[in-house]
Amino acid sequence: GAGVSQSPSNKVTEKGKDVELRCDPISGHTALYWYRQSLGQGLEFLIYFQGNSAPDKSGLPSDRFSAERTGGSVSTLTIQRTQQEDSAVYLCASSLVQPTGVSNYGYTFGSGTRLTVV
Amino acid sequence: TQLLEQSPQFLSIQEGENLTVYCNSSSVFSSLQWYRQEPGEGPVLLVTVVTGGEVKKLKRLTFQFGDARKDSSLHITAAQPGDTGLYLCAGSTGGGKLIFGQGTELSVKP
Repeated sequence: GAGVSQSPSNKVTEKGKDVELRCDPISGHTALYWYRQSLGQGLEFLIYFQGNSAPDKSGLPSDRFSAERTGGSVSTLTIQRTQQEDSAVYLCASSLVQPTGVSNYGYTFGSGTRLTVV
Repeated sequence: TQLLEQSPQFLSIQEGENLTVYCNSSSVFSSLQWYRQEPGEGPVLLVTVVTGGEVKKLKRLTFQFGDARKDSSLHITAAQPGDTGLYLCAGSTGGGKLIFGQGTELSVKP
């Protein structure tokens, strides 16, 4: 697609339920990133995919959080047994990566999924 | 832990004024990027600086990367209401991911 697409745009869920957030990156972008942003704050890194593998998942807050990427394209971020502190905007981005694995290319972000846990 | 500290966190100015936003770290970055984010949207890339001492201009916006590649600044000349938004700096260590600062919320009043 022309841009990074995220769905749903808004999700309200009850505490304890599981949620799945989807990201469809720009075609041809091998790198995909998930970040979390609380109201008016900067971006907190969650996980990074290069192709289908995740060389860096150091930002996942707990084992309730997991993510996968299939076919080098779509990614799903799953939060199990949601808690109120999980409420935030979850942003997905994709980018090109240089052959050396270094990325000085800019990210293209989706509009995010606003998750509210009640 | 690599951190990027942005200052100020909030800035409210009148149209026509100049302003500078700072982004500082104790870590060296291979590149640094600036993004602008509007409510309900994802951040949008403004510029990437790669070389220590580099200066880039984008219309009324001037971006500078420190000589030691640990800090950066964004200067806006004659700010306009359309410049209102959250400005984010982000550093790359070459490992693939970007580390973001906490952002500067800019409000330009007509």
